[in-house]
Amino acid sequence: GENVEQHPSTLSVQEGDSAVIKCTYSDSASNYFPWYKQELGKRPQLIIDIRSNVGEKKDQRIAVTLNKTAKHFSLHITETQPEDSAVYFCGSGSGSARQLTFGSGTQLTVLP
Amino acid sequence: NAGVTQTPKFRVLKTGQSMTLLCAQDMNHEYMYWYRQDPGMGLRLIHYSVGEGTTAKGEVPDGYNVSRLKKQNFLLGLESAAPSQTSVYFCASSYSQRGTYEQYFGPGTRLTVT
Repeated sequence: GENVEQHPSTLSVQEGDSAVIKCTYSDSASNYFPWYKQELGKRPQLIIDIRSNVGEKKDQRIAVTLNKTAKHFSLHITETQPEDSAVYFCGSGSGSARQLTFGSGTQLTVLP
Repeated sequence: NAGVTQTPKFRVLKTGQSMTLLCAQDMNHEYMYWYRQDPGMGLRLIHYSVGEGTTAKGEVPDGYNVSRLKKQNFLLGLESAAPSQTSVYFCASSYSQRGTYEQYFGPGTRLTVT
């Protein structure tokens, strides 16, 4: 089955700095790569996603890049703010129901 | 529009007991999923459904059963609970149409098996 590895597991940055989280996947058939943000005690919420036919996507301070050849994708957050502090999960989707395999998560802490 | 809801929010079971977790969505989504979330392991897919009356196994299906008798509901059953099933369970749903891939998650059920 699909294997998704996510790094780093924890990340601390100063407010205003950038944060980068990286994921690799193993299934060449995967064609959908979402990123979810989960605050403590809350449900995961989609922040950005990318399809396999696109190399980069940006939404305000958040961007995702995809390298299908190398099977890796990354989340970039610029001008970080304290409210960006949360756990971030990457996902790899494939199959009839676009089943997702998630990475193990990154705890991002933005220091004021 | 409540989105995805889950019942109950919390539950404590003794080993060997059974229970059913209910997931309901009012967005007319075709696809529904059950995940479990354990510390340091992210979310793992237990079972999923592509439509009413159909279910399929995910990554970690052992010890669980599911049913989708109505489009809006997806039930997860534990026939004989074990301490290893202590976890937070999330339900999610999504549209089947091409171009709409987002999975919407419910608030979760925290289950403890003693």
